[in-house]
Amino acid sequence: GQQVMQIPQYQHVQEGEDFTTYCNSSTTLSNIQWYKQRPGGHPVFLIQLVKSGEVKKQKRLTFQFGEAKKNSSLHITATQTTDVGTYFCAGRGPDNYGQNFVFGPGTRLSVLP
Amino acid sequence: EAGVAQSPRYKIIEKRQSVAFWCNPISGHATLYWYQQILGQGPKLLIQFQNNGVVDDSQLPKDRFSAERLKGVDSTLKIQPAKLEDSAVYLCASRALRDASANYGYTFGSGTRLTVV
Repeated sequence: GQQVMQIPQYQHVQEGEDFTTYCNSSTTLSNIQWYKQRPGGHPVFLIQLVKSGEVKKQKRLTFQFGEAKKNSSLHITATQTTDVGTYFCAGRGPDNYGQNFVFGPGTRLSVLP
Repeated sequence: EAGVAQSPRYKIIEKRQSVAFWCNPISGHATLYWYQQILGQGPKLLIQFQNNGVVDDSQLPKDRFSAERLKGVDSTLKIQPAKLEDSAVYLCASRALRDASANYGYTFGSGTRLTVV
């Protein structure tokens, strides 16, 4: 079945440094979503990417979907303590309407002040 | 708009006991999901409903887990009997099929943290 992996598993950064997490799928995806889960909280939807090579920005966050639609990345510029949490990608298989999103294991980000 | 409501927030039970979780999705969201999130892992889909019908329950351990969504609104997830490995956060999520803002993401509830001892 479809598998979604993320690296790194953990990342510790100093406040102000940049951060990137990578998401890789075993199969081609129709689209991919990103979520943020604060410690003790629930996943909160950030964005959805659909097109090959698509790049979207939300303030300091930049999301990219690979050309082959099998990988994605989330880059945070100049991290802040409010960025602490676990970032999950969730990918949907090529049958856009027939499959559910599969979540990756997440990348846990800690930001040292 | 009101979010996805779940109860209880926490539950501690002994193994072999039964437990039930309740979820009320966002009004108008036809699709409802139950996820299991074990500590340190991503959410894993247990069951998906569209209105009051089951769309996908391929990963639901049907020998002990059951779920229903009567009248296509709120839903309950039951575990009977519970095992130690069922300790996890059970998340309910709902999703609009079509959203004018092109937001097709899941909206999760706060979850129920289950501890089986």
